[in-house]
Amino acid sequence: AQSVAQPEDQVNVAEGNPLTVKCTYSVSGNPYLFWYVQYPNRGLQFLLKYITGDNLVKGSYGFEAEFNKSQTSFHLKKPSALVSDSALYFCAVRANTNAGKSTFGDGTTLTVKP
Amino acid sequence: NAGVTQTPKFQVLKTGQSMTLQCAQDMNHEYMSWYRQDPGMGLRLIHYSVGAGITDQGEVPNGYNVSRSTTEDFPLRLLSAAPSQTSVYFCASSREGLDTQYFGPGTRLTVL
Repeated sequence: AQSVAQPEDQVNVAEGNPLTVKCTYSVSGNPYLFWYVQYPNRGLQFLLKYITGDNLVKGSYGFEAEFNKSQTSFHLKKPSALVSDSALYFCAVRANTNAGKSTFGDGTTLTVKP
Repeated sequence: NAGVTQTPKFQVLKTGQSMTLQCAQDMNHEYMSWYRQDPGMGLRLIHYSVGAGITDQGEVPNGYNVSRSTTEDFPLRLLSAAPSQTSVYFCASSREGLDTQYFGPGTRLTVL
C-alpha cells in the first residue's frame, strides 16, 4: 500500500521569508511525486512533479521541491513567500506498480502574513 | 479546451435518494478518477478508470457506482444517499497513469 504524510496541518510564515511544507511518502516501486495547490472553493491545481532525474524540481509561481530518496521525502519550498501563496497544499504519490491510483496527503494550510 | 467539467456544482439530497454526479473531459485522457474531500482528511479515491470500459475501486468505494462508456465521461452514481456521503466531490483526469492530474471544480453535496 502507498501512503503520504504531511505532518503539519498549518504553516505560518511572514511575507518575504522562506517557506517549507513537508511531505513524506511510502510506496512500492518507483515514486512519482506531485504537489497541488487548492484555493478556497476551487479544484486542485498542479504545481510541480518529480518523475526521475534531478532531485530539485522547479515548478509554478516560484515553488520548488527537493526529492530525498533516503528520507522518502518531497518537501515543497519557496525562497520568498507572498501573501497570495496562502492556500491549501497537497502532496500526492503515484507508483509504477499501481498506475492510475493516486494517494494524497491530508493537506497543509499555508498562511502568509504581511 | 474546457478541461474537466463537473455538474452540478451544488446538490442537496435527502437520505435514501439516488443521484448521478457528472464528469466530462475534453483532453482525450485515458485515466479518470473520483475523489471525495472531507475536512482534515485530504482527498480519498473512490473509483478510477484506466480507459473506456475499465473501472476499479479506490480507497472508499462503498455506496458509489461508476461506469465508463466513453473516453470523455465518467459519471459517479450514489445509489442510496446517506449523511456520511456529505462531502465535496472532485473528478480528475490524466493522460497516463503516472501523469499529472487535472481536476474539475468540484460538486458540493449535502445529504440530510
